[in-house]
Amino acid sequence: DAKTTQPTSMDCAEGRAANLPCNHSTISGNEYVYWYRQIHSQGPQYIIHGLKNNETNEMASLIITEDRKSSTLILPHATLRDTAVYYCIVSRTPSGGYNKLIFGAGTRLAVHP
Amino acid sequence: KAGVTQTPRYLIKTRGQQVTLSCSPISGHRSVSWYQQTPGQGLQFLFEYFSETQRNKGNFPGRFSGRQFSNSRSEMNVSTLELGDSALYLCASSRGTDAYEQYFGPGTRLTVT
Repeated sequence: DAKTTQPTSMDCAEGRAANLPCNHSTISGNEYVYWYRQIHSQGPQYIIHGLKNNETNEMASLIITEDRKSSTLILPHATLRDTAVYYCIVSRTPSGGYNKLIFGAGTRLAVHP
Repeated sequence: KAGVTQTPRYLIKTRGQQVTLSCSPISGHRSVSWYQQTPGQGLQFLFEYFSETQRNKGNFPGRFSGRQFSNSRSEMNVSTLELGDSALYLCASSRGTDAYEQYFGPGTRLTVT
């Protein structure tokens, strides 16, 4: 699985958009970008995933560059409850039985009033 | 529907003992994965079971083993415990077939003294 690089920490004001970047310059054609987050003392929570098109769900938007070497997770209106460690993971499609996530250090996002 | 449940939530063991942790996946999910989280190494993939067979494996010694039952519930076992095995052990479930999202339980906090 391709390696990802994320900033160690970021701050965001409550109500503003939080834009979390991720570099994955060695991503392969069959690898997806996944985002999970882990709120203190809880198990990680799935947020969103994408292959090459931008994706949006009720939690966030995922913007993937055309060359797929980087992506940005956008939380449109951050709240205090979004304070967490955010993990960007690149992994092969689960088709064919591959099903494991390789976590990096993630980005610690602090949302402040 | 009910989420992933793990038992026990907290456990204290002595070096050299063995321990068994249990995970009940979301109803209908056939894949169960196990992860170890420590402050030093972060979140690391242990193994994944699908339809009672180990399908994916991480880089952990043979002291770490698991199994899955016909109802998809899974157990993991650590034999000859070492101080370094102190960690949060997380289990995650997914549909198992082309499933992009994994759903994590709250974890079992194991302390080895």
